[in-house]
Amino acid sequence: DTGVSQDPRHKITKRGQNVTFRCDPISEHNRLYWYRQTLGQGPEFLTYFQNEAQLEKSRLLSDRFSAERPKGSFSTLEIQRTEQGDSAMYLCASTGLLDTQYFGPGTRLTVL
Amino acid sequence: DAKTTQPNSMESNEEEPVHLPCNHSTISGTDYIHWYRQLPSQGPEYVIHGLTSNVNNRMASLAIAEDRKSSTLILHRATLRDAAVYYCILRPVNRDDKIIFGKGTRLHILP
Repeated sequence: DTGVSQDPRHKITKRGQNVTFRCDPISEHNRLYWYRQTLGQGPEFLTYFQNEAQLEKSRLLSDRFSAERPKGSFSTLEIQRTEQGDSAMYLCASTGLLDTQYFGPGTRLTVL
Repeated sequence: DAKTTQPNSMESNEEEPVHLPCNHSTISGTDYIHWYRQLPSQGPEYVIHGLTSNVNNRMASLAIAEDRKSSTLILHRATLRDAAVYYCILRPVNRDDKIIFGKGTRLHILP
């Protein structure tokens, strides 16, 4: 068990570009969550998968955001036409049979 | 999810006990009290949780008031590595969905 991993750890992009982040959950964890965290705030929920099904999306997830978990294992979060307000830490978490969420180290996005 | 209230920040001396308070006056009977912490430049990590009785684990202790409207996370002997933001969270039993985080308490440890 190597924990939740996220790639890349840091991403700098120019406004208007598309970016994609990857999350690899703990193996056999069937629930996967994405959160966003801005400076000085706690993480905010974005979306949630049970296996490959996306069960809930926050109103924070505008139509420029899309998340997938095609085979019920890893997940990707894509942001199209990035804006400076998208600059944040993007966190992924997974859970198994118990309720504890295990978080990855996050991907820090900076939009110039 | 029910709301919690925590101090914005606290300080403690190294190797002394730390008591982090949390108020949750609107807690329902099926809400568990969870604590997570977030070390600098890391994702949050689970610390402890409880329903009614006090709980102990290798990281901390959780003291829950008899009326469950408040709780205290206790770090018995703080080290510099305990400097983090500590989040008190209410989660309904048998719910496996999102966590609603507040701003938490930023704990500073003085050497």
